[in-house]
Amino acid sequence: GNSVTQMEGPVTLSEEAFLTINCTYTATGYPSLFWYVQYPGEGLQLLLKATKADDKGSNKGFEATYRKETTSFHLEKGSVQVSDSAVYFCALISTGGFKTIFGAGTRLFVKA
Amino acid sequence: DGGITQSPKYLFRKEGQNVTLSCEQNLNHDAMYWYRQDPGQGLRLIYYSQIVNDFQKGDIAEGYSVSREKKESFPLTVTSAQKNPTAFYLCASSVQGGGQPQHFGDGTRLSIL
Repeated sequence: GNSVTQMEGPVTLSEEAFLTINCTYTATGYPSLFWYVQYPGEGLQLLLKATKADDKGSNKGFEATYRKETTSFHLEKGSVQVSDSAVYFCALISTGGFKTIFGAGTRLFVKA
Repeated sequence: DGGITQSPKYLFRKEGQNVTLSCEQNLNHDAMYWYRQDPGQGLRLIYYSQIVNDFQKGDIAEGYSVSREKKESFPLTVTSAQKNPTAFYLCASSVQGGGQPQHFGDGTRLSIL
């Protein structure tokens, strides 16, 4: 079946450090891929998405590229801020599918 | 602004009691969902509805019930049959059709007295 695997957290970085959160997926066809962010006590917000191979989603300095050959969608940011501290979820919807499959989430702590 | 409103933000349940969590959306979305989130865990799908008057069980439906009488509303009832209801509950909605992202409410935290 379809699944999403993302790196375990927590990830702790200093402000202005480079961020990578790894995400790999298992799905048939060409799923749509998403990154969501959850701040403490809130629901999830869509951060970025990509719908086909080699697409790059980007938002608020975050980027992720849809890599079909490695079935990956790693999240990157060049310089993190304290305000980026949150839980990040990688997710997919399979081709023709309806339900979203979420990864377990990766908690990010950014220190000043 | 359009969005999803969940209420209450905090809810306490006594033993043997049913409680209902409210979810209202004004995004004109056809599809709505309920998830459960436990500390340090991902999201698990409880129920979902693709259209008014129709809904399907998700992965952990036991001990929960829903209704979808109006497009805007998708309330979740946590019944006394749910023996471990303490969790953070998230409601979401999306445009009908494949590959669409979900919009989430801010959640309801349910605890047992």
